[in-house]
Amino acid sequence: QIQLVQSGPELKKPGESLKISCKASGYTFTDYAMQWVKQAPGKGLQYMGWINTQTGKPTYADDFKERFVFSLETSASTAYLQINNLKNEDTATYFCARGHTLGYWGQGVMVTVSS
Amino acid sequence: DVVMTQTPVSLSLAIGQPASISCKSSQSLLGTSGKTFLNWILQRPGQSPKRLIYQVSKLYSEVPDRFSGSGSETEFTLKISRVEAEDLGVYYCWQGTHFPFTFGSGTKLEIK
Repeated sequence: QIQLVQSGPELKKPGESLKISCKASGYTFTDYAMQWVKQAPGKGLQYMGWINTQTGKPTYADDFKERFVFSLETSASTAYLQINNLKNEDTATYFCARGHTLGYWGQGVMVTVSS
Repeated sequence: DVVMTQTPVSLSLAIGQPASISCKSSQSLLGTSGKTFLNWILQRPGQSPKRLIYQVSKLYSEVPDRFSGSGSETEFTLKISRVEAEDLGVYYCWQGTHFPFTFGSGTKLEIK
């Protein structure tokens, strides 16, 4: 069955970096784009952007153009979200989701940024 | 960016009652392909979102037919004919016609 399995929770200090993974299984990885969505604690969903899994080209929503990097390891059917120079407001759960229909979602990675 | 406005913010319904959630967009979601990429997802407590409806009214295969979607252009509705216990959670509409995709603020369905 189709699954997106994300890495575990992260506790980081402001200014640090992290890299979250999203491993896909049950389908051909390069057949679907990978999207990223942020959910701050107790809040709604915020779209971050997507990465073309065939070309590796990322496209970012405006709020995520500065410190956020989408990447791939196609041989491992894995997408990554890197966040640099972490800020308190990056505290959130980050989801990966498959395709332009967001048809399947990972379980989410809870990221806590605190000094 | 397209603003998605959902109402009501919350619903408290008994099992068996109908539910209706409205979603309005700040611009038409009819794409150049002739398709309207207005979708609905459900986030149950402590879980990641799950797909419900795509392109306004098309149910995913695993979704019970008590769910239905309708609308066009800028006004859309999600209906549940008879609420069941498993339907509790937060419902989001979201649009995939215009980049960036945008989500409504969510409607929380509670079971009385």
